[in-house]
Amino acid sequence: NAGVTQTPKFQVLKTGQSMTLQCAQDMNHNSMYWYRQDPGMGLRLIYYSASEGTTDKGEVPNGYNVSRLNKREFSLRLESAAPSQTSVYFCASSDGDGYTFGSGTRLTVV
Amino acid sequence: GQQVMQIPQYQHVQEGEDFTTYCNSSTTLSNIQWYKQRPGGHPVFLIQLVKSGEVKKQKRLTFQFGEAKKNSSLHITATQTTDVGTYFCAGRGYGGSQGNLIFGKGTKLSVKP
Repeated sequence: NAGVTQTPKFQVLKTGQSMTLQCAQDMNHNSMYWYRQDPGMGLRLIYYSASEGTTDKGEVPNGYNVSRLNKREFSLRLESAAPSQTSVYFCASSDGDGYTFGSGTRLTVV
Repeated sequence: GQQVMQIPQYQHVQEGEDFTTYCNSSTTLSNIQWYKQRPGGHPVFLIQLVKSGEVKKQKRLTFQFGEAKKNSSLHITATQTTDVGTYFCAGRGYGGSQGNLIFGKGTKLSVKP
């Protein structure tokens, strides 16, 4: 039982490049989330998907897009990366109680 | 919008000392959750409190939810080096986007052996 799996674990991008962060959960959870974590800022919600087929903006959605591909998978796309998007990105899923987080993607934009 | 404030930001203790972190919300919460993140790791769910005045214990950890459902605390008795990490509270409001968890900025605990 893997829980929440994120890929890649590390990535370095040049400014203006695009990439997609992948997330998959095997717990049959309806809700999935993307957070970013910056030093001293805690966890900030980028986008969420309350159920398959729906997505909504969170606190800091600018510069990102998401796709809820199916119940298991929720991807986060950076169309044109900027240095301000350097962060650790966490995907999480939930059945309504505690969130289960993936191990994170450490992204650096140079 | 809804805000969740957490204090202190950092806490350094000697092993064996007690530790407490406090969480305050600007709005009434439907529930509050607590997470622990070890250095270099990801947040791990510890507990959820739902009822006004609720107190729950997990071994040396005691969690409280205030009567007004706007504040919470986590108390660790006799800290150990394994308690090192950042403790986050996360509050959930009522309905719609307010039903999403809002995380506090965390309290980073270091324990000196």
